[in-house]
Amino acid sequence: GAVVSQHPSWVICKSGTSVKIECRSLDFQATTMFWYRQFPKQSLMLMATSNEGSKATYEQGVEKDKFLINHASLTLSTLTVTSAHPEDSSFYICSASTLAGDEQFFGPGTRLTVL
Amino acid sequence: QKEVEQDPGPLSVPEGAIVSLNCTYSNSAFQYFMWYRQYSRKGPELLMYTYSSGNKEDGRFTAQVDKSSKYISLFIRDSQPSDSATYLCAMIKGDKIIFGKGTRLHILP
Repeated sequence: GAVVSQHPSWVICKSGTSVKIECRSLDFQATTMFWYRQFPKQSLMLMATSNEGSKATYEQGVEKDKFLINHASLTLSTLTVTSAHPEDSSFYICSASTLAGDEQFFGPGTRLTVL
Repeated sequence: QKEVEQDPGPLSVPEGAIVSLNCTYSNSAFQYFMWYRQYSRKGPELLMYTYSSGNKEDGRFTAQVDKSSKYISLFIRDSQPSDSATYLCAMIKGDKIIFGKGTRLHILP
């Protein structure tokens, strides 16, 4: 149980386009979802925390107008990278936790490459 | 069988003891192996990163990879209360990064 999926797993896009990444909890209801970025050999950087039905809470330094997060249901959160640039190329990883909040379940990540 | 297995704990050990954290995996295609430490409400912090079998040491931390047994370990020497956190193993193959469920560690003063 407790499987989190992400789609797509790898996306290549042109600079200036927008990319949407989906994060789904497949067999449980995720009241909270987290979005992370990871650059090679670096720690996961928490970008934002989203609770179902409310606005996401962004970490300092993360542009909320550039990284749009929607957590419309208990099983789905989306991250849209708007007007992507090459410096946005990274691994984007989501995780989900239940109401109890004592465990986080990580998705497999989405590799974004912006040309 | 899950691709990465990690005992969620909790694991409680007295201060000063050596801690051993472990993960097993099923797919020999994994290329890179990482250990993260996560404090409550914080993002995981990368502790160790390795890609070959053997040991890698960094201060009080030693990461061990045994590809023949598909088994990785993280050892913490002279454990301290500040080491209390959740420790996650993670592995990369191709485009995927697969995390273990994390082991909650409590160091008792």
